[in-house]
Order: sequence, then structure tokens, then C-alpha cells
Amino acid sequence: SAVISQKPSRDICQRGTSLTIQCQVDSQVTMMFWYRQQPGQSLTLIATANQGSEATYESGFVIDKFPISRPNLTFSTLTVSNMSPEDSSIYLCSVEDHVMTDTQYFGPGTRLTVL
Amino acid sequence: AQSVTQLDSHVSVSEGTPVLLRCNYSSSYSPSLFWYVQHPNKGLQLLLKYTSAATLVKGINGFEAEFKKSETSFHLTKPSAHMSDAAEYFCVVTGSNDYKLSFGAGTTVTVRA
Repeated sequence: SAVISQKPSRDICQRGTSLTIQCQVDSQVTMMFWYRQQPGQSLTLIATANQGSEATYESGFVIDKFPISRPNLTFSTLTVSNMSPEDSSIYLCSVEDHVMTDTQYFGPGTRLTVL
Repeated sequence: AQSVTQLDSHVSVSEGTPVLLRCNYSSSYSPSLFWYVQHPNKGLQLLLKYTSAATLVKGINGFEAEFKKSETSFHLTKPSAHMSDAAEYFCVVTGSNDYKLSFGAGTTVTVRA
């Protein structure tokens, strides 16, 4: 399975500011995914990021609020823009397995608190 | 569309006793089913996966799950709970697009000494 790291692991931010979260994988992967886990809740897919193309956003998520970059096959960033306390969540990236494309492996998550 | 229902939001067991986490699903397709575990302040770890090869699936750390199509269930069990099993467990199903995962609400497991 892939080894995934995220930076930062946690942060406390002021409302109105933006935070960029990095996701690094130890092998080349086609598809990377970004999820949000609000306090006490399950995971919700924000968007799918393929290298060389625009990210595909799920209903309820927009590029202006959550811009995503995917410059190469091992790296992606998610920016949470113009933050409000409602954005306080855990943000996780995941990647699909090379062979079993229905299987995803998750990073450790970024715990964001917005004051 | 697919969906997942985890029937218990919280399960409390004594160390050394069996653990049962219940999951029902609905899907218009032949889905893949997963159980993931999330320990406090950690990411998600894949416990096991069902893909129609066998109805009884063995995973890591002594967990196993049984797929029952007639009951649309995929319950997770472990014969003997350990303190390290205290965590949040998610039942997950794929959709028509393999990469679209649907997560259950999660079951919190506490283990009493």
C-alpha cells in the first residue's frame, strides 16, 4: 500500500485567512482524493484530483473555496480559502491502489481549527 | 445510488470478549465493501475488503467480516477485543464509479479493562 504524508498535521487559523494543505505519496498514482471530516461526522468527498487536469468537485464544494493543485503524480495541495469556524474539520487526502482501483489508502489527516 | 447504514453509533465491550459491528448497505450494483478503522488523532486504516471472491473476509488484527447478500449486510467481528481496538470504525461501499466511496456514520468502540 502507498505511504501518504500530509502537512501540516494540525493548525489553528483566524477566520478570513487561507490554509494550504499538502499531500505527498511515496509512489506515482493517477487519482488523488480530498475528503472532509467534520467534528463527530463521517467523511465527505470534496474533490478528485487527476494529474494534468482540473479537479472534479462534488456537490456542495466549489473551486473558489477549495482550490486544488496536482502538479505531478506524487503530490497535491488543497487550499481552504476565506475560512470560517464552519471549516473546522479534519481534511484527509487519499489515493487509489495501483491494481485494485476501488481501494483507497488515506493520509493521516490535517486537523484544522478556525477561530 | 449506494448507501451504508451502521446500526450502532457506539459499542462498548470488555477486554477479551467478542466485538460485533453491524453494517447494512444498499446498492444497485455489485459493490465492493470495506471496513476502515480510525484511531484517535490518526488517519484511516484499511481493515478488510470484500470483492465477491469469498463471503467471509479476514482482515488485519484478527478482524473478519461476513458478506450476506440476502440480508445486504457486512458485519465486522473479532473474537476477543483488545484495548488497542478502541477506535472509530467505518463501513464503506463503492458506487458505480469505483472511486466514489460512500461512508457509514461510524461506530465508536470502547474497550473496558
